[in-house]
Amino acid sequence: EVQLVESGGGVVRPGGSLRLSCAAYGFSFDDYGMNWVRQAPGKGLEWVSGINWNGDSTGYADSVKGRFTISRDNAKNALYLQMNSLRVEDTALYYCVRAGDQSGYYFYYMDVWGNGTTVTVSS
Amino acid sequence: ESVLTQSPGTLSLSPGARATLSCRSSQSVNSNYLAWYQQKPGQAPRLLIFGASSRATGIPDRFSGSGSGTDFTLTISRLEPEDFAVYYCQHYGSSPGTFGQGTKVEIK
Repeated sequence: EVQLVESGGGVVRPGGSLRLSCAAYGFSFDDYGMNWVRQAPGKGLEWVSGINWNGDSTGYADSVKGRFTISRDNAKNALYLQMNSLRVEDTALYYCVRAGDQSGYYFYYMDVWGNGTTVTVSS
Repeated sequence: ESVLTQSPGTLSLSPGARATLSCRSSQSVNSNYLAWYQQKPGQAPRLLIFGASSRATGIPDRFSGSGSGTDFTLTISRLEPEDFAVYYCQHYGSSPGTFGQGTKVEIK
């Protein structure tokens, strides 16, 4: 079964750091670009970051640029999001999402979603 | 960076009715790279439509997408009880990805 499982969320003070992880199952991980998408409580979807199949191309939303770093380990079928200098407005459910095209690029429609991991930034 | 505007914000309809959701882009969408997602409370979004009109795997044929350029539509031909949810459109094909703000389809 194709599945994405996120972990690493939690409660952190403003200015703190967290590292999110996503484990991929049931597909050839290194064939696909991957993304992180977040959803603040009661709000819509916001694309956060993406990475192509081999990690040599990445993208970030302006709201997280310079603070968040996306990476992947194809040998472990894993995706990561290092989040530094966290702000209250980063509070959200963070989804790990597969790009739906096997080109390996991340900026495509999103066909497989994890259940998300919650990040709460609060003093 | 394009901005996607969805309308209406909320659509109140009865089961069996036809739902028409709109997504308008501030810039022309190349190659019709427009997707639609459904999200139910407490669940992750689910891909419904990609390429403006292609149904994703397992999506019932009561869901259809149309449009080109800057104006796109998601149509649900006859609403089933499980279709009441929030729907998002997304412009892809370039970074960053852009989502619309969502349309909630609620039971009238």
